[in-house]
Amino acid sequence: EVQLVESGGDLVQPGGSLRLSCVASGFSFSIYWMSWVRQAPGKGLEWVGGIKKDGSEKYYMDSLKGRFTISRDNAKNSVYLQMSSLRVEDTAVYYCARGIYPWSYWGKGTTVTVFS
Amino acid sequence: EVVMTQSPATLSVSPGERATLSCRASQSVITSLAWYQQKPGQAPSLLIYNASTRATGIPARVSGSGSGTEFTLTISSLQSEDFAVFYCQQYNAWPLTFGGGTKVEIK
Repeated sequence: EVQLVESGGDLVQPGGSLRLSCVASGFSFSIYWMSWVRQAPGKGLEWVGGIKKDGSEKYYMDSLKGRFTISRDNAKNSVYLQMSSLRVEDTAVYYCARGIYPWSYWGKGTTVTVFS
Repeated sequence: EVVMTQSPATLSVSPGERATLSCRASQSVITSLAWYQQKPGQAPSLLIYNASTRATGIPARVSGSGSGTEFTLTISSLQSEDFAVFYCQQYNAWPLTFGGGTKVEIK
C-alpha cells in the first residue's frame, strides 16, 4: 500500500525557518518525481514545487522567490521542504504527493502556522 | 502563468441530479488537465486526468471533457459521497496551477 507521511509542521514566527519531511513507503521511491502542494486555511490548493527522481531537476512556484528548497534522500525514501524567511501567508497545510503530475497519492498533510 | 478559473463557485444540487462544473484556462493547456475532489479534513483525490481519463476506481458517472481552454466535469447522478469541493489543475506549463474550486453542496 502506498503511504506518504508528512511531519515537521509547527508554529513559527515570521522570518523563521522550518523543514518538512515526507516519508514514503509501499512503492519504489527512487523512480518517482515527488511534489509538495499547500492549502491555506479555507482556501484552495497551491502547487509549491517538485523534484525529479534523482534530485537533478527542481521546479517551484514563482512567488516563492528562492525561500523554499526541495530535496530528497532516496536511501531514506524521503523528500524534504526547507522553508526559510517564512511569512504569515505561508500558513497552510502542506501535502506531499507522488509524481510530478497528476497526483494519485497524497499524504495527510502537516500544518505550518506562521504567527506574529 | 496559466490562470485557471472555475465556475460556479458553489453549486447546489439535489441527490440524483446532474452536476456540471466548468474550468477555463487563460491559455491553451491542450488536454493537460486534471480534476480533484476534496472532502473536509482530507487530502484531495484524483478523479480525472488528461481531461477525460478516469483515475483508477472512479465510477462511470464521473466524466471529464474539453480541450484547449474550456473544460467540464460532469457527475451524472449525484450520490451522497459526491458532495465536496472540486479543483481543476493544469500541467501543460510551469508553474502548475489550480483553479479556485467549486463547492458542490446538497440542495
